[in-house]
Amino acid sequence: KNQVEQSPQSLIILEGKNCTLQCNYTVSPFSNLRWYKQDTGRGPVSLTIMTFSENTKSNGRYTATLDADTKQSSLHITASQLSDSASYICVVSALYAGGTSYGKLTFGQGTILTVHP
Amino acid sequence: DTEVTQTPKHLVMGMTNKKSLKCEQHMGHRAMYWYKQKAKKPPELMFVYSYEKLSINESVPSRFSPECPNSSLLNLHLHALQPEDSALYLCASSQGGSAPYEQYFGPGTRLTVT
Repeated sequence: KNQVEQSPQSLIILEGKNCTLQCNYTVSPFSNLRWYKQDTGRGPVSLTIMTFSENTKSNGRYTATLDADTKQSSLHITASQLSDSASYICVVSALYAGGTSYGKLTFGQGTILTVHP
Repeated sequence: DTEVTQTPKHLVMGMTNKKSLKCEQHMGHRAMYWYKQKAKKPPELMFVYSYEKLSINESVPSRFSPECPNSSLLNLHLHALQPEDSALYLCASSQGGSAPYEQYFGPGTRLTVT
């Protein structure tokens, strides 16, 4: 069964500090891994997307890493801001038969990040 | 324009009502999706349309009926819903195909079934 597990479930940090969120997956056959940020009551917004051959990808203060051998990914947030308070969701895409990758996403439970002033 | 719009933002309906959720994108995407998200849970895929044809139905009850009138629009028709169907309904779109195209999500419709 395809699964995505995230840790920690929740995290509280002070503004300006760095933090790292973890994601382990057992999705097969692997297509790509995405990190989304979701504010309460809003739709998820994509931060990064990585394929099998990519080890790291940055988007501003967000840096994602991927180790396809150990099936682990991390999202590092530097110099946190109050607006970073949100749920961060790791999403892994599996290939369908025939090679298409759209649609079959396995979502993690998310890490709720709270940034305090 | 990288926006997916959804209407209405909020919807309250009785169990005997018929209502529809609407989703629109003008990015030229050919794959569109409906997700259901309960509080503090990740989104659950309901339907996928590819090139205006239903390609994935994740065993969703028939009281939910999707429709894709054209490549820019996606509807979700609701009838005889149950209180447990109350949730945030998210629409998303992507270019589709074999590459790992990003899915763009709309802001969602908060549905309450009374």
